[in-house]
Amino acid sequence: NAGVTQTPKFRVLKTGQSMTLLCAQDMNHEYMYWYRQDPGMGLRLIHYSVGEGTTAKGEVPDGYNVSRLKKQNFLLGLESAAPSQTSVYFCATGSIRRQPQHFGDGTRLSIL
Amino acid sequence: TQLLEQSPQFLSIQEGENLTVYCNSSSVFSSLQWYRQEPGEGPVLLVTVVTGGEVKKLKRLTFQFGDARKDSSLHITAAQTGDTGLYLCAGPNNAGNMLTFGGGTRLMVKP
Repeated sequence: NAGVTQTPKFRVLKTGQSMTLLCAQDMNHEYMYWYRQDPGMGLRLIHYSVGEGTTAKGEVPDGYNVSRLKKQNFLLGLESAAPSQTSVYFCATGSIRRQPQHFGDGTRLSIL
Repeated sequence: TQLLEQSPQFLSIQEGENLTVYCNSSSVFSSLQWYRQEPGEGPVLLVTVVTGGEVKKLKRLTFQFGDARKDSSLHITAAQTGDTGLYLCAGPNNAGNMLTFGGGTRLMVKP
């Protein structure tokens, strides 16, 4: 998916560890989103941003923090990882409010 | 909470067959989006339907938004192996600040 790059692609953590997922976009989109995808549950919005310096809570924000210091980057942090946060995380961007148009390829995160 | 239910959850068909998948809700949506997701990749936006009764075509894919804007369907004609993937529908919540996604229909088209 050209335009939205997520790093890392895979990661294994132990319970209680912290980490940051990075999303970078080169399309100059205002809106950026972090989703998690679990089997049979579609995508659930964790946090989103409507522009540089702004963040807002989504559907399932507990246990996560985000920052958007630069327009092109949206960071998702896990302060103290829990097994329930094992999931595939997707970043998305868009130029239209609340409509993610471009997704990254995901970060597969396992927490033991 | 606005919920979107997709059916069937799984569908396995032979190449060349036709199929329809559904996205239903008890709530009215101002619009609905359809995405396709292939294994190991992020979802790709296929279409947005906005007007009740609207029909949009994308090659062999036909999308319809229900007259009451509570449901949508995706019909694929003469399915191909390249159509294999997870099909997701999504619509904006009441507050208008985020999308609610359905659980998806996983389609496998066998040669």
